[in-house]
Amino acid sequence: AQKITQTQPGMFVQEKEAVTLDCTYDTSDPSYGLFWYKQPSSGEMIFLIYQGSYDQQNATEGRYSLNFQKARKSANLVISASQLGDSAMYFCAITMDSSYKLIFGSGTRLLVRP
Amino acid sequence: NAGVTQTPKFQVLKTGQSMTLQCAQDMNHEYMSWYRQDPGMGLRLIHYSVGAGITDQGEVPNGYNVSRSTTEDFPLRLLSAAPSQTSVYFCASSPASRFYEQYFGPGTRLTVT
Repeated sequence: AQKITQTQPGMFVQEKEAVTLDCTYDTSDPSYGLFWYKQPSSGEMIFLIYQGSYDQQNATEGRYSLNFQKARKSANLVISASQLGDSAMYFCAITMDSSYKLIFGSGTRLLVRP
Repeated sequence: NAGVTQTPKFQVLKTGQSMTLQCAQDMNHEYMSWYRQDPGMGLRLIHYSVGAGITDQGEVPNGYNVSRSTTEDFPLRLLSAAPSQTSVYFCASSPASRFYEQYFGPGTRLTVT
């Protein structure tokens, strides 16, 4: 069975600084995908970034990058130049390429301080 | 292009009542799914569908039924509501060829008393 672990229930970061949100996973499948979603206080789920298990390079999307370390089974999200609007819950999720099921972690609440 | 829509936004039920949560998408996506989010937790998959007429169970299917008669609609039915089903329910869709593009609806907040 697949599993996602987010060990940081809450984090603070100063505006304009970078922050890393941790995510480790456990799967025996050779092919899988890793996702990060943002959930602001308004409640909607916003897709941020995706990394396939066979992708050679770390995924990047604007200020978001995914630090993918396959051997360590970690997929940390790095947010550069934090903004006040980045304050939200962040969820890591995993799926197998052969399946459409997403397994979510318990989330990390990020608070950006002015 | 409305994306993924869910109705109602809020609902209060009494134990034992039944209801249907509606989900519709206008992107012609093959894949649709239902998740529930309990306080302080991530989303858990209830049921999903890879196309009209095809549904399957997720992590927490008990107490819920689904059907998929059209590509656009994927309703979730609670046959006999229980307080343990108090949660926020999210519907999502994605194209089969790009399953990693998951579009979420705004959610339905359900309270069962």
